[in-house]
Amino acid sequence: EPEVTQTPSHQVTQMGQEVILRCVPISNHLYFYWYRQILGQKVEFLVSFYNNEISEKSEIFDDQFSVERPDGSNFTLKIRSTKLEDSAMYFCASTWSFSNQPQHFGDGTRLSIL
Amino acid sequence: GESVGLHLPTLSVQEGDNSIINCAYSNSASDYFIWYKQESGKGPQFIIDIRSNMDKRQGQRVTVLLNKTVKHLSLQIAATQPGDSAVYFCADHSTDNYGQNFVFGPGTRLSVLP
Repeated sequence: EPEVTQTPSHQVTQMGQEVILRCVPISNHLYFYWYRQILGQKVEFLVSFYNNEISEKSEIFDDQFSVERPDGSNFTLKIRSTKLEDSAMYFCASTWSFSNQPQHFGDGTRLSIL
Repeated sequence: GESVGLHLPTLSVQEGDNSIINCAYSNSASDYFIWYKQESGKGPQFIIDIRSNMDKRQGQRVTVLLNKTVKHLSLQIAATQPGDSAVYFCADHSTDNYGQNFVFGPGTRLSVLP
């Protein structure tokens, strides 16, 4: 069964540094998402992406965050200047249709900011 | 914004018994609901979904019930097995959520006792 894959599985970064989290969505999917899950808390929506542009973003997704689909397979989340509170699991998800379809999630990247 | 929540943060059941996990939602515009299972170190895994024009849907050993009158969703797992131990999230999508981001509940941890 096709999977969403995320790399790295664990990223340790000094506060203030830039970090790029990478995702390869399922190949025929058209809609892409990033979610965040702080330890012990619920999964929170960050951003959705379709047709090479952001469809929607939450209040968490401020100017420090950006997303990009640099080629036909990768979907990246960049945090420009990381803060301690950015430490969390970051999940990528994808789906092939806009409405009423379950999102398929990767296993996440654990981001630890020191 | 609207939120989806769970009544019970933890649930312990004997192996072989049936499990019921509950979820309350508050957005009357919610039109699509998903139950996800999250095992330790993994991303959310799709279990079953239901649209708002239905009140029940069955899968393999799982049933989702939707009561729109009281805005309540439940997941029933028949003959619970040790492999069912995980955190279960409900997620809600509404017609006023452009971009199809879902609102996740905080999760219920299901522990299956031998």
